[in-house]
Amino acid sequence: QKEVEQDPGPLSVPEGAIVSLNCTYSNSAFQYFMWYRQYSRKGPELLMYTYSSGNKEDGRFTAQVDKSSKYISLFIRDSQPSDSATYLCAMSGGFTGRRALTFGSGTRLQVQP
Amino acid sequence: NAGVTQTPKFQVLKTGQSMTLQCAQDMNHNSMYWYRQDPGMGLRLIYYSASEGTTDKGEVPNGYNVSRLNKREFSLRLESAAPSQTSVYFCASSEVADNSPLHFGNGTRLTVT
Repeated sequence: QKEVEQDPGPLSVPEGAIVSLNCTYSNSAFQYFMWYRQYSRKGPELLMYTYSSGNKEDGRFTAQVDKSSKYISLFIRDSQPSDSATYLCAMSGGFTGRRALTFGSGTRLQVQP
Repeated sequence: NAGVTQTPKFQVLKTGQSMTLQCAQDMNHNSMYWYRQDPGMGLRLIYYSASEGTTDKGEVPNGYNVSRLNKREFSLRLESAAPSQTSVYFCASSEVADNSPLHFGNGTRLTVT
């Protein structure tokens, strides 16, 4: 079983829809949670960075962390065709002994105009 | 505003050939990383360098070597390429190794025949 699980999709939605992307994880030591967006043939770019549980909002994007359920989410409001990309969750923790991020396998999102 | 630069962008090798992937960052970051990305597997850490003068193995180090040439540059070497090393390779950097967001290059697409 992978340490971080993410539905690969593809997830296809119409323009303007609210999108929900999710990851589950098994290592309770994870404390830092990130979402990256990756366009085709490009490197991942950081979208959201959160610490511990709670919500964080940035424009049309909201990140949620529920540490009790080991579940994180990224919501995209008023989705646009330019949001079509692969979304990767990533996480790390001070007690994992691992000095780098652990990534999910990514969810491919397509926003239809 | 280059960020993380990787060369080459594409490479085709025959089994048994060797090559070095180059990476340079201009953000004065202390830590640098090499990941590989395969369909359905997400990003897997090959090696990382928490600071200049140190390197450590990641999740999938077999068949690879690295050199942290200076603070800016971190190279990845395949001594004897195998078809299983066909992948997209990403270099990344961060301010420090622990829990910092990563900044990625745009990848090197390697095919081993």
